[in-house]
Amino acid sequence: EDQVTQSPEALRLQEGESSSLNCSYTVSGLRGLFWYRQDPGKGPEFLFTLYSAGEEKEKERLKATLTKKESFLHITAPKPEDSATYLCAVQVGGGSNYKLTFGKGTLLTVNP
Amino acid sequence: NAGVMQNPRHLVRRRGQEARLRCSPMKGHSHVYWYRQLPEEGLKFMVYLQKENIIDESGMPKERFSAEFPKEGPSILRIQQVVRGDSAAYFCASSRTSTNTGELFFGEGSRLTVL
Repeated sequence: EDQVTQSPEALRLQEGESSSLNCSYTVSGLRGLFWYRQDPGKGPEFLFTLYSAGEEKEKERLKATLTKKESFLHITAPKPEDSATYLCAVQVGGGSNYKLTFGKGTLLTVNP
Repeated sequence: NAGVMQNPRHLVRRRGQEARLRCSPMKGHSHVYWYRQLPEEGLKFMVYLQKENIIDESGMPKERFSAEFPKEGPSILRIQQVVRGDSAAYFCASSRTSTNTGELFFGEGSRLTVL
């Protein structure tokens, strides 16, 4: 069974304190790995898609990287508005390639 | 351009009642997905629909749950004879094509509480 594990479960940072979130996965035939952001009471918002080991994507203070076993979401000099739950999801190939398997998320709090 | 619209945002039902959750996809999107988020759990795939067709309902409990996406109108997730374990946030997402990019557009969710 496909598994996605995110760590830590929760992370508190001071504004400007850079850090990384981890997403490790066990799947057969990874097609893509995705990062979403979810604010309280809202639906997930798409951030990045990564397809192959070594790939990197950047958006403002966020950078996502992918290896054969895990992905990292690096947050550089975070601001309070970066506070949210960050979700990682994987998609496998084959006939069910529309289906995403999500991790439980990392709750990030950035204090001013 | 309006996003994915879900209603109701909050729904309270007593055990044994029925819950109907509605989802209007983004304009131009004909693929709809329902996910459930239980407390302390990740989002779990339930069902994938295209207009008038259920493509994959493998994540949906066999009993009491059904989904449809008619030619006209919103997609509906129906839960009959609700039980306390059905309390969760139900998210609908849509895409223009069968999402091979993983980019789903999610609604704000419907939060079901079963008393």
